[in-house]
Amino acid sequence: AQRVTQPEKLLSVFKGAPVELKCNYSYSGSPELFWYVQYSRQRLQLLLRHISRESIKGFTADLNKGETSFHLKKPFAQEEDSAMYYCALSPSSNTGKLIFGQGTTLQVKP
Amino acid sequence: DVKVTQSSRYLVKRTGEKVFLECVQDMDHENMFWYRQDPGLGLRLIYFSYDVKMKEKGDIPEGYSVSREKKERFSLILESASTNQTSMYLCASSQQGMPQHFGDGTRLSIL
Repeated sequence: AQRVTQPEKLLSVFKGAPVELKCNYSYSGSPELFWYVQYSRQRLQLLLRHISRESIKGFTADLNKGETSFHLKKPFAQEEDSAMYYCALSPSSNTGKLIFGQGTTLQVKP
Repeated sequence: DVKVTQSSRYLVKRTGEKVFLECVQDMDHENMFWYRQDPGLGLRLIYFSYDVKMKEKGDIPEGYSVSREKKERFSLILESASTNQTSMYLCASSQQGMPQHFGDGTRLSIL
């Protein structure tokens, strides 16, 4: 079965601390993986996708096919990083369909 | 910049009513999607469409239908609204092979 699991509902860290938001997936083929973010009162927006191999707002994510993971990391959290983060998997690039995880709320305390 | 517009930010309806949620995108995207977003459950796909008049069921289509008569517009229909359909509804669109762009969402309350 195709599934995305984000084991933490809430992750709370202090400003300046490292952040790692966990994402594990179950998929038999070659997945395309994404992280989306939703700041308070804003629309859901793309943060990064694994094929781009970019760093956006200091965040990076590496696809680990052996561990079927796509964890989101940032070395030094900022208060403006507080948001809801969703990991998503695309089983087919033709339809653009996405399977989302349950989401993790990141709370960065001053 | 891609614009996905949902017709209402907040909507209150009564049980048994037929409810229409509208979504319009301005970038000529082939694909359009309807999700519902619930705490602890993430986003769950209701229906999607990859072309005009084409539609496919997502993971939770029961109690919903959709219409796509024009490329830019994708409507979600609650045939007979029930209280368990109270939720945040998100519309998204995408070009083939590209990430999805989302609207602001419609918070629907069924009383």
